[in-house]
Amino acid sequence: GEDVEQSLFLSVREGDSSVINCTYTDSSSTYLYWYKQEPGAGLQLLTYIFSNMDMKQDQRLTVLLNKKDKHLSLRIADTQTGDSAIYFCAERDYGQNFVFGPGTRLSVLP
Amino acid sequence: DADVTQTPRNRITKTGKRIMLECSQTKGHDRMYWYRQDPGLGLRLIYYSFDVKDINKGEISDGYSVSRQAQAKFSLSLESAIPNQTALYFCATSDPGGNYNEQFFGPGTRLTVL
Repeated sequence: GEDVEQSLFLSVREGDSSVINCTYTDSSSTYLYWYKQEPGAGLQLLTYIFSNMDMKQDQRLTVLLNKKDKHLSLRIADTQTGDSAIYFCAERDYGQNFVFGPGTRLSVLP
Repeated sequence: DADVTQTPRNRITKTGKRIMLECSQTKGHDRMYWYRQDPGLGLRLIYYSFDVKDINKGEISDGYSVSRQAQAKFSLSLESAIPNQTALYFCATSDPGGNYNEQFFGPGTRLTVL
């Protein structure tokens, strides 16, 4: 079946860039998403990329998509303590099913 | 006001008890989902519903049942709770006609089964 994988933990220093990586198996993915979960809260959409794009930039966030390698990354520039959260990669296929990765817990050190 | 609400937010129950988690939405979306979140496993789909008359099993439906009482309401039941159902449960909605078809999540229900 479809699978989405991410590393579980990432630590960076405040002001550095963070790069969170994700790999997926479903080549029919239409949209790929990054969700952010803050402590005690639900998931909120951070950004998304359509499968025919290879890059999307939104303020401090840069999403890179390599369809050939089925690899998605989220770069956060100038990481702040408020960026500490769990980040989930997710894909949606033509069947309208969503598959989520295990989440990467980002810790921002002062 | 939150668009997707879940009740209760926290619940502790005992093995063998029946428990119902409720989800309501004001977004007007036809599609609703129930997920459970476990550390290191991400979100796993329990059940989903594409409209009031449509119910589908997800990846891990055993031990759970659902009811779609109305477009705005989707309930998840544990008929006889067991400790390995201790988890964080999320309800979500989506609109297939939306701009990028994202899912909107409720705040979650933390369930502990003793």
